[in-house]
Amino acid sequence: DGGITQSPKYLFRKEGQNVTLSCEQNLNHDAMYWYRQDPGQGLRLIYYSQIVNDFQKGDIAEGYSVSREKKESFPLTVTSAQKNPTAFYLCASSIPQGIGQPQHFGDGTRLSIL
Amino acid sequence: AQSVTQPDIHITVSEGASLELRCNYSYGATPYLFWYVQSPGQGLQLLLKYFSGDTLVQGIKGFEAEFKRSQSSFNLRKPSVHWSDAAEYFCAVGYSGGYQKVTFGIGTKLQVIP
Repeated sequence: DGGITQSPKYLFRKEGQNVTLSCEQNLNHDAMYWYRQDPGQGLRLIYYSQIVNDFQKGDIAEGYSVSREKKESFPLTVTSAQKNPTAFYLCASSIPQGIGQPQHFGDGTRLSIL
Repeated sequence: AQSVTQPDIHITVSEGASLELRCNYSYGATPYLFWYVQSPGQGLQLLLKYFSGDTLVQGIKGFEAEFKRSQSSFNLRKPSVHWSDAAEYFCAVGYSGGYQKVTFGIGTKLQVIP
C-alpha cells in the first residue's frame, strides 16, 4: 500500500544537538511538506517542496533545514538554533498544482528535549 | 490572507447523538475546503473535501459537510456519533496559488460519552 513513512516515532534531542527526522513516500507525489503541531495551535508549515532539488520556507522555517535530493524523501533537520523544538512533526505529500488536491500525512514524529 | 476559524476547541457529545463541528473561513475567492481527523499520536486522515459543485459533500465514516458561501462556513456533521469518533478534527482551506498552500484551523477535540 502506498503511503508516507516517518521515522523515528519518538526522538530526543540534547542541548546544542542537530537531529534529523525522516520522511519517505511511495505515492509518487511531487510535493512534500513539513508541519509542526503544538497543542492549541493547529498545524504550522515549516518547509515545502514542489519538486526535487527545490524547496521553500514556510511560516516558521527559522531553526530548521531540509533537503530534497530524491522524489521519495524529504528529511527535516532541527538545528540547535531552534530553541523550542519540542513538538509533534508531521510530513505530508500531495500532487502539486492540482486543483485542491488534498495532502496525505504520515503518522508523525514526537521530538522532545533531554 | 486566508484563515480558518474553528470556534469550538472542545466538544462533548453522547454516543448516538448528532454532531456538528463548526468551521468558518476567510478567503476572497472560492476556496478549497477540507476536513481531517486525527487520532492521538497519529497523522491526519482526510474525511472529505469540497472544490466545487454540490455544496453538500459526503465523506468517509458517515460524515458530511455543507459549504455555505453566504456564511463562509463549512460545518461538519454526523447524524449519530460512535465512541470511535472521539478524536481531533481539523478544518482546512486551500487555494491553487503557485502551490497548494493549505491553512489549518486549530482543531476541535471531540469527546464521546456513553
